[in-house]
Amino acid sequence: DTGVSQDPRHKITKRGQNVTFRCDPISEHNRLYWYRQTLGQGPEFLTYFQNEAQLEKSRLLSDRFSAERPKGSFSTLEIQRTEQGDSAMYLCASSPPLGEREKLFFGSGTQLSVL
Amino acid sequence: GENVGLHLPTLSVQEGDNSIINCAYSNSASDYFIWYKQESGKGPQFIIDIRSNMDKRQGQRVTVLLNKTVKHLSLQIAATQPGDSAVYFCAERGNQAGTALIFGKGTTLSVSS
Repeated sequence: DTGVSQDPRHKITKRGQNVTFRCDPISEHNRLYWYRQTLGQGPEFLTYFQNEAQLEKSRLLSDRFSAERPKGSFSTLEIQRTEQGDSAMYLCASSPPLGEREKLFFGSGTQLSVL
Repeated sequence: GENVGLHLPTLSVQEGDNSIINCAYSNSASDYFIWYKQESGKGPQFIIDIRSNMDKRQGQRVTVLLNKTVKHLSLQIAATQPGDSAVYFCAERGNQAGTALIFGKGTTLSVSS
């Protein structure tokens, strides 16, 4: 596997439930990003890790959202007490430690629908 | 905060024509710009990037132009093909988000045969 992998691809949940998404970055990439994308909009930055350290969080990341990258490899994004407004595509991206660090490689995303 | 926007939400071209997709950015301090292509149900795919110390960069069938004076970025696609149909986003490296990219709203390119 040479790309960013996200699981699941689709998630349907009821309002108030908790959901967790997983992202496996490209193996040699030390930076990992989470973005959210709603229909017709560009991706919006949520948070960013360098290795296991969470270095940046957007104001969009409310206290119901938490992201982890405990071993500096895969990452999880959890949303607690989901709301209908959380319905969106959640994209994960990674970038290499050297050279073109700004170039983000995206996964195919997890489409979340909150009923 | 910074906002990267696009001039047109949609662009329709004939197969074989050249396409130009435009983008205006607001942060004069941005030093890195990138174009992504996104097909339905997929994540954004890298097309080409450019740093602020350049004004033009060419790839395979694509060219990015940067005009820092008017804060304008464009993507030119030569001999547009049906497979080029997608949503195109420009993004800049935003100071307030560290190294995270800030995206605009996107332009939907439709290529007809």
